[in-house]
Amino acid sequence: DADVTQTPRNRITKTGKRIMLECSQTKGHDRMYWYRQDPGLGLRLIYYSFDVKDINKGEISDGYSVSRQAQAKFSLSLESAIPNQTALYFCATSPLGTAERGHDTQYFGPGTRLTVL
Amino acid sequence: AQKITQTQPGMFVQEKEAVTLDCTYDTSDQSYGLFWYKQPSSGEMIFLIYQGSYDEQNATEGRYSLNFQKARKSANLVISASQLGDSAMYFCAMNSGGSNYKLTFGKGTLLTVNP
Repeated sequence: DADVTQTPRNRITKTGKRIMLECSQTKGHDRMYWYRQDPGLGLRLIYYSFDVKDINKGEISDGYSVSRQAQAKFSLSLESAIPNQTALYFCATSPLGTAERGHDTQYFGPGTRLTVL
Repeated sequence: AQKITQTQPGMFVQEKEAVTLDCTYDTSDQSYGLFWYKQPSSGEMIFLIYQGSYDEQNATEGRYSLNFQKARKSANLVISASQLGDSAMYFCAMNSGGSNYKLTFGKGTLLTVNP
């Protein structure tokens, strides 16, 4: 079984709809992240969470919200989807550590392809 | 601010040959980590290799090695004995300092392995 799972894997929705993307992990990591990937732009950080009570905005959080329901679950919501939120969305996890020891390597889920019409 | 630059949008290599994918980085932090990820056409992001800024030896993981030149701020990925399954997009990334939550990615290099 995959260590980091995302549901759904693909979703097509309409402008104005509320969408929730879910992420679960069995790696036992404290930190979880949401990224979006657009062609030619690499990955950009939307939100990140160091533990259940600690949630922080990334570089492109406008239009998104998150919920850390448990150590293993981190969901991303689009309250009112718009076409420019069409992208590939990744959840990632990392253990608590320091850059020197490499313990903060981020491990990614399989991604969710979201299309907003 | 951190920045990753990958100057090769696309690379071609013959099967069984070695290939180097370039990555330069910019940061004012003394402590940082450098990563390479592989993204095949199926879309998932696969962690390949990590190099810490204080590591004196270049990292190696099987056929992957990271050519770390700190003074030049470069962290090139070397793939030895290329295989058809190595065809994918490759991303260089870094995080730095005490705020090591933020992984900054380059724009990627598309590697095609020819038979």
